[in-house]
Amino acid sequence: IAGITQAPTSQILAAGRRMTLRCTQDMRHNAMYWYRQDLGLGLRLIHYSNTAGTTGKGEVPDGYSVSRANTDDFPLTLASAVPSQTSVYFCASSDGQGEDTQYFGPGTRLTVL
Amino acid sequence: GQNIDQPTEMTATEGAIVQINCTYQTSGFNGLFWYQQHAGEAPTFLSYNVLDGLEEKGRFSSFLSRSKGYSYLLLKELQMKDSASYLCAVRDSNYQLIWGAGTKLIIKP
Repeated sequence: IAGITQAPTSQILAAGRRMTLRCTQDMRHNAMYWYRQDLGLGLRLIHYSNTAGTTGKGEVPDGYSVSRANTDDFPLTLASAVPSQTSVYFCASSDGQGEDTQYFGPGTRLTVL
Repeated sequence: GQNIDQPTEMTATEGAIVQINCTYQTSGFNGLFWYQQHAGEAPTFLSYNVLDGLEEKGRFSSFLSRSKGYSYLLLKELQMKDSASYLCAVRDSNYQLIWGAGTKLIIKP
């Protein structure tokens, strides 16, 4: 693994189903983030974690939950998917110091029907 | 509310220079980032400004004026591979990034 990986690459999901998007980083970064990207809108922060064991809510947290059991993994769960959650989801990480630049995973394209 | 404004789309010619502007109104300021995003791919980091002035990195430069709430990304000697969206993001007082919708740059031969 080099950098950040996300799985799956894409997924079509029936409304009402539960889905977990996976994110793993091997850079030993303290902070991790989940964004969604929709056409015509900027990236919007869903949830974040400044360090293992802590999480926080971003701009659009409703319908999503996260956990941070260790430094490397930051899964995002949709408990009961709805069509408005159709989007491209990006996971990112940063070292939490200095410029604190965020580095992004390749994304998961999710379609909820 | 917090707001980041960028032009939706720009067109430029291969070999030319293009300037992409970004204006912001945020609760606090802790740095401004520019990212490049090719279609279907993840955003990749280009530049960071926290003090006023120009930061140069090869063909790309980024300028910041905190008093005016304004930044621009300058791309020189444009190449076809520079066709992409360019995202402006500001770190606010909560230390979260606020993102613009991005500027789609089309390069013509």
